[in-house]
Amino acid sequence: DVVMTQTPLSLPVSLGDQASISCRSSQSLVESNGNTHLHWYLQKPGQLPQLLLYKVSNRFSGVPDRFSGSGSETDFILKISRVESEDLGVYYCLQSTHLPFTFGSGTKLEIK
Amino acid sequence: EVQLVESGGGLVQPGRSLKLSCVASGFTFSNYGMNWIRQAPGKGLEWVAYISSGSSYIYYAETVKGRFTISRDNAKNTLYLQMTSLRSEDTALYYCARHNSYIPFDYWGQGVMVTVSS
Repeated sequence: DVVMTQTPLSLPVSLGDQASISCRSSQSLVESNGNTHLHWYLQKPGQLPQLLLYKVSNRFSGVPDRFSGSGSETDFILKISRVESEDLGVYYCLQSTHLPFTFGSGTKLEIK
Repeated sequence: EVQLVESGGGLVQPGRSLKLSCVASGFTFSNYGMNWIRQAPGKGLEWVAYISSGSSYIYYAETVKGRFTISRDNAKNTLYLQMTSLRSEDTALYYCARHNSYIPFDYWGQGVMVTVSS
C-alpha cells in the first residue's frame, strides 16, 4: 500500500498567518496518463470531511483562494495564505492513484 | 443539492452482521461511483470500499476484504455495505461518499455509527 506521511501532526498558528502542511507518498502518484491523484480534505471539529483541493492544486467549488496546493511525484504541500478561524480542524491528504486509496494521518491546525 | 443519507448503524456483537444503506439525492446516482469510508473514534480516515457506477468495478481495503460487500441499486438511488464477521476494530463512523471521475469523495454523508461490542 502507498503510505502517506503528513507533517507536522499539529500546527499551531495565529490568525492571519500563513500555514503549510506537507504530504509525502511512499511511491510516485503520477499515473501513466500524467495525472497526479493527490487531494486534500478538511474535517472541522464535529463535522464530516470536506474536499478542498483535487489533483494537487484544483480548488473544489466554493473553496477560498487562500487555499493552494503544489507538488509532484511524491512531495506535496497545502498552503493557507491567511488563516481564518473557520480553517481550524484536521487536514488530510489522500492518494487515489493506487489501490487501496490511502489517507495521511492528518494535521491538526489549531490556534497558537 | 447533493445529499447522502446513511442508515443502518448500531450496536452489534462480535461475529454478527449489519447492513448499512446510503440514499442519494440531488444528482444522477447511476452516473457516479460510490465509496464507503470509515473513521474510528478519535482516529483518522480509512477508505473501505468502492463501486463503479454500473457495479462493474468493485474494490476493497484488505482489512475488510472477504467480510464486507459493497453493492448498489441504481433504481433506488441507494448504496449498501453488507458487513459480516464484525470485529471490535470495525467500530467506527461509516461515511458514504460520491466518486466524481478524477475527484474522489467530493460529497459525503453525515455518517452512521457502528459499534461492535459484546
